[in-house]
Amino acid sequence: QVQLQESGPGLVKPSQTLSLSCTVSGGSISSDDYYWSWIRQPPGRGLEWIGYIYYSGSTYYNPSLKSRVSISVDTSKNQFSLKLRSVTAADTAVYFCARVGWNDGKFDPWGQGTLVTVSS
Amino acid sequence: QSALTQPASVSGSPGQSITISCTGTTTDVGGYNYVSWYQQHPGKAPKLLISEVSHRPSGVPDRFSGSKSGNTASLTISGLQAEDEADYYCSSSTSANTVIFGGGTKLTVL
Repeated sequence: QVQLQESGPGLVKPSQTLSLSCTVSGGSISSDDYYWSWIRQPPGRGLEWIGYIYYSGSTYYNPSLKSRVSISVDTSKNQFSLKLRSVTAADTAVYFCARVGWNDGKFDPWGQGTLVTVSS
Repeated sequence: QSALTQPASVSGSPGQSITISCTGTTTDVGGYNYVSWYQQHPGKAPKLLISEVSHRPSGVPDRFSGSKSGNTASLTISGLQAEDEADYYCSSSTSANTVIFGGGTKLTVL
């Protein structure tokens, strides 16, 4: 079955750019049926949708993060990536990647998540 | 976009039933049937429980059910079990082709 795995630095300095990748295994990222999404969860708080990308490169972002975020896809590596610019302590969170059905909106499966701390 | 509104906490005794509400607007919950529910245990990734308002994926016990009326979706758990103690989140697609999550509900099994 399809599995997703996040990777990237666990510590980022304030004002710098947070960069994460999500590797998809057990299936192709180039499927017509799915978007590929990033979601985050600050410690002790709820889930926040960051955005998603279609394999063609079409992207959709949370309006509250749109000015700082970009999501890209590398079909040759079966990966998609997140960049969040000008981070502050408020961006400290567990970052999850997930597959999203384009015709049902369901997030399934999810990666295990990776904690990113913003601190000097 | 503001989070969908969920109660912060609910509780119930083993064997009882509980319902968690998820209230949005006509541009999300009320306008689309792309409402999903997720269960999250501490330190774990969320797990899909319900999609498209009331569809239960294979492997999810039939104790979990979903419904929607107007701008409010609901998750009902019947026959509560100790392992149901977790955080629960709803999500909905929106008219802007974005996604919005609920604030989350902590379920305590007494």
